[in-house]
Order: sequence, then structure tokens, then C-alpha cells
Amino acid sequence: NAGVMQNPRHLVRRRGQEARLRCSPMKGHSHVYWYRQLPEEGLKFMVYLQKENIIDESGMPKERFSAEFPKEGPSILRIQQVVRGDSAAYFCASYLGQTDTEAFFGQGTRLTVV
Amino acid sequence: QKEVEQNSGPLSVPEGAIASLNCTYSDRGSQSFFWYRQYSGKSPELIMSIYSNGDKEDGRFTAQLNKASQYVSLLIRDSQPSDSATYLCAVHSSNDYKLSFGAGTTVTVRA
Repeated sequence: NAGVMQNPRHLVRRRGQEARLRCSPMKGHSHVYWYRQLPEEGLKFMVYLQKENIIDESGMPKERFSAEFPKEGPSILRIQQVVRGDSAAYFCASYLGQTDTEAFFGQGTRLTVV
Repeated sequence: QKEVEQNSGPLSVPEGAIASLNCTYSDRGSQSFFWYRQYSGKSPELIMSIYSNGDKEDGRFTAQLNKASQYVSLLIRDSQPSDSATYLCAVHSSNDYKLSFGAGTTVTVRA
């Protein structure tokens, strides 16, 4: 039973380019969180999604950032026109839902904007 | 007020000692509480879950929950150098389903 899979592990983008980060939840999990972590800082909540629905995007900047979790395929976090300040580790976590709320993290995507 | 607050640390303990980590939360509707361990440069790893008041033990780890005081703690007994990491307290709200994290406490176990 594979864990949460994120790719790519490392992503380098030039300022102004687009970054697409993918997250495949654990098998059977229909709930996904995305977090951002700067070096030596804590996890900052960005967005919470269920299959085909964005439940809470209160932590995500309204401009340039978007997220989706389609019926089929991975969850995608998309950052348009990246800036140096977007450089961070982006983690997703998934959980089964209902009464089982244990969330498991992927290995993260380290985004570097040059 | 932050949703989840942890004792700031860093915490340094000798090998074999008990490390004590504390966490308070603001949302009284929270029902699920977790401790994660994060090694430098790695992703958070779930090490303990607790849902009801009292103690829960798993190996050298004991989690304690007091919902009336909105307080969660983690004890690490017989601390080992491999326990050196940042420990994150997380709280799942039944109101908005958000999983909120504290800033983390960095623990160093001295050999």
C-alpha cells in the first residue's frame, strides 16, 4: 500500500514561470491538505480539498495560486508567475475521512525560484 | 491568539532522560489530536494520535489529552539521540475540518 506520493521532489523555476506540484493520496483517501514550509519555520496551511471540491482555501494567496483534486488523478497545486518568495517546501497530506482523520504526509516538493 | 501553540524550545535533554512537550489549542470543537516528528529536510511523520481525555502510550511515547484545559502533551521516555527532531502538535477541528499545526519544538538529545 503505497504512501502519499508527491512529484517532482525538486523543482526549479525561473521567475515568471509556472510551477505544477502533484500529490497522489494514499489509496482510498479522499481528503487532501496542502501546506507550505519555509526553512526553520512551521507548516502553513494552504488549502483543504475533497474529491472534486475545494473545501477551504483560506490559507492560499488569492492571486497566482490554485488547487484542484479531480475525480481521477492526483491533486494539483499550481503556482503561476512564480516569484522568489514562493521558494519553499510544499507538502501534501491525505486522510481517509469521516471518523478516520489520521493524516499522512508525502515527501514534499522543494520549489526553488531563480 | 494562535490556533495551536507549543512550548517554543529548543529543548535539550541528556540521553536516557524524559523529554516533555506541551501544546495548547483554541478551538473547543477539536476532536482529534496528533503529534508528528520531523527530521531536518524531511516530511512530518505521524507518531501519535489521541482522541479522548487521558493518557495513551505507544512504546517510549506517551500522549496526554485534557480537553477541559485544551491541552495536549507528549512525553518521550528514555530519550535517544535518534529522537532529535522537531515535534509538531496538530489539531483537527470538527467545525472546519482544518488540520492546524503548532510551530514545533526542536528536541536535541545529548549522548
